[in-house]
Amino acid sequence: EVQLVESGGALVQPGGSLRLSCAASGFSFDDYAMHWVRQVPGKGLEWVSGISWNSDNIGYADSVKGRFTISRDNAKKSLYLQMNSLRAEDTALYYCAKDISSGCCYWYFDLWGRGTLVTVSS
Amino acid sequence: EIVLTQSPGTLSLSPGERATLSCRTSQSVSSNYLAWYQQKPGQAPRLLIFGASSRATGIPDRFSGSGSGTDFTLTISRLEPEDCAVYHCQRYGSSLTFGGGTKVEIK
Repeated sequence: EVQLVESGGALVQPGGSLRLSCAASGFSFDDYAMHWVRQVPGKGLEWVSGISWNSDNIGYADSVKGRFTISRDNAKKSLYLQMNSLRAEDTALYYCAKDISSGCCYWYFDLWGRGTLVTVSS
Repeated sequence: EIVLTQSPGTLSLSPGERATLSCRTSQSVSSNYLAWYQQKPGQAPRLLIFGASSRATGIPDRFSGSGSGTDFTLTISRLEPEDCAVYHCQRYGSSLTFGGGTKVEIK
């Protein structure tokens, strides 16, 4: 089955760290760029970060630059998001999304996971 | 920075009616690089339209996209109960930006 499954969301204190994972199956993971997109419940979507198929090209939203790090392991068909210096405004449902192309970060997304919830609160 | 404004915020219509959703951008979108996604409650977003007017694989033909420049529209020609969802527009190309979403309710 073609799917993306996120994990790693949790309740964390401001200033803390968290690592999200996304497991891909059913398609050739190393042929495509991948992204993280977040959504505050009841609000719109916000692109967070993207990575090309070979990790050569990476992009971040200004709101997370310097605090979040995206990475991937093609052998494990997995995408990661290391989140440091977390703030209350980072609280959101984090989705993993598949790009339609191998390069980053330019196109749209044709497959999404169901998300993992990150709550930043003391 | 480009801003995408979707309207209305909520649309409440009966089955069989036509739904018209708007996505306006603060800057012109080159090459019609605009996509639409459907997000049903508790589910992941699903790609509906790309290139402003091309339907994604498996999307029923009652969904259609149109527009250019700064004004784009998603039309659902005959609403069905399963179309109850939030619809998001996305600009791609030089930046990846989403609108705030339009919620479609079925009466």
